[in-house]
Amino acid sequence: DGGITQSPKYLFRKEGQNVTLSCEQNLNHDAMYWYRQDPGQGLRLIYYSQIVNDFQKGDIAEGYSVSREKKESFPLTVTSAQKNPTAFYLCASKPRPATNEKLFFGSGTQLSVL
Amino acid sequence: AQSVAQPEDQVNVAEGNPLTVKCTYSVSGNPYLFWYVQYPNRGLQFLLKYITGDNLVKGSYGFEAEFNKSQTSFHLKKPSALVSDSALYFCAVGEFSGGYNKLIFGAGTRLAVHP
Repeated sequence: DGGITQSPKYLFRKEGQNVTLSCEQNLNHDAMYWYRQDPGQGLRLIYYSQIVNDFQKGDIAEGYSVSREKKESFPLTVTSAQKNPTAFYLCASKPRPATNEKLFFGSGTQLSVL
Repeated sequence: AQSVAQPEDQVNVAEGNPLTVKCTYSVSGNPYLFWYVQYPNRGLQFLLKYITGDNLVKGSYGFEAEFNKSQTSFHLKKPSALVSDSALYFCAVGEFSGGYNKLIFGAGTRLAVHP
């Protein structure tokens, strides 16, 4: 999946627990994105980042947090405030943010609640 | 705000027959449109995009898409379907908002190609 590594592949969260999903890219891309995928709903944007130390809320940011301390890394934390976290999470990137270039996707992390 | 609709949850086609996966969009300016494919438990793979120019766009794996401005559609097509084409297909439209650029995805259409 094009130089983007997501880990773990499967993750289980207990009630009240925060969990962090890893996303690392070696493509030297400036822009990175987190999407949530639920069956029948397509992909919804959680957070995105155009450059290091910058990120913006997407359409469903509540209950999530991110950081962008390094260009290659964009971890997503699912906090206890996210009451329905079970979903497939996809990280994506592209070379330059304000362009029509295609997105490159990681293989995804399936998060489930115990 | 931009939006994209994929009116069919599932499309069934016999191997060797032509296939069409439908997509319509709503934008306030000139659209740029994408098709992606997703195999089970994997990320999305890029198939093709339309920015400007020729209305018939050719992409990966023999797929093509026809941009129709008057009907605001961007249907994905392939002349002869393969069983291996069975997957989940997403149409997406690009949006510039507040100086940022992002993709809005449709709900997806599951393509099932039967031998």
